[in-house]
Amino acid sequence: EVQLVESGGGLVKPGGSLRLSCVASGFEFSAYAMNWVRQAPGKGLEWISYISASTDRILYADSVKGRVTISRDNAQKAMFLQMNSLRAEDTAVYYCARSANSGLDPWGQGTLVTVSS
Amino acid sequence: DIQMTQSPSSVSASVGDRVTITCRASQDITTWLAWYQQKPGKGPKLLISATSTLQSGVPSRFSGTGSGTDFTLTISTLQPEDFATYYCQQASSFPLTFGGGTRVDLK
Repeated sequence: EVQLVESGGGLVKPGGSLRLSCVASGFEFSAYAMNWVRQAPGKGLEWISYISASTDRILYADSVKGRVTISRDNAQKAMFLQMNSLRAEDTAVYYCARSANSGLDPWGQGTLVTVSS
Repeated sequence: DIQMTQSPSSVSASVGDRVTITCRASQDITTWLAWYQQKPGKGPKLLISATSTLQSGVPSRFSGTGSGTDFTLTISTLQPEDFATYYCQQASSFPLTFGGGTRVDLK
C-alpha cells in the first residue's frame, strides 16, 4: 500500500522552530517529487513547498520563504520540513503529498502545528 | 500566481441528486486541473487529474470536464459516502493553488 505518514507537529511558541517528517512506504520514493501542503483550522488548502526527486529543484510559497527549509533523504524514504520563526498564522495541519498524475497523490493524514504563547 | 475560484462554497443535496461544482482559473491552465475530496479529519484524496482522468478506484459517478479557465466536477448520482468537501487545484505552474472548497452536505 502506498502510504505517507507525517510526524513532528506540536505546540510551539511564536518565534520557535519545529521539524516535520514524512515517511513513505509502498512506492519508489526516490523517483517522485514531493510537496508540503497546509490547512489552517476550518480553512482551505495552501501549498507551501516542493522538492524534486533528485533535490535539484526546490520551491517555496512566498508565505513561508526564508523561514522554512524542505529536504529529503531518499535512502530513508523520508522528507522533512524545518520551520523557523514560527508565527500564529502558521497554525495548521501540515500534509505531505506526492507529485503524481498532474495532481498530488497520495496525501498523508497530516500533523498539527499550533503556534501559540 | 494563478487564482482558483470555486463555486458554490456549499451545496445541500439529497442522496440520488446530481451535483455540479465549478472552478475558474484566473488564466489559461489548459487541462492542468485536479479535483480532490476531503472528509473531516482526513487528508485530501485525488479524484480526477488532468481535468477528466478518473483515478483508479474512484466511482464512475464522478466526472470532470473543461479546459482553459473553466472546469466542472459532476457527481451524477450522489451517494451517502460523497458528503464531503471538494477542492480544485491547478497544476499548470508553481505555486500550486487551490480553490476555496465546496462543502456538500445533506439537505
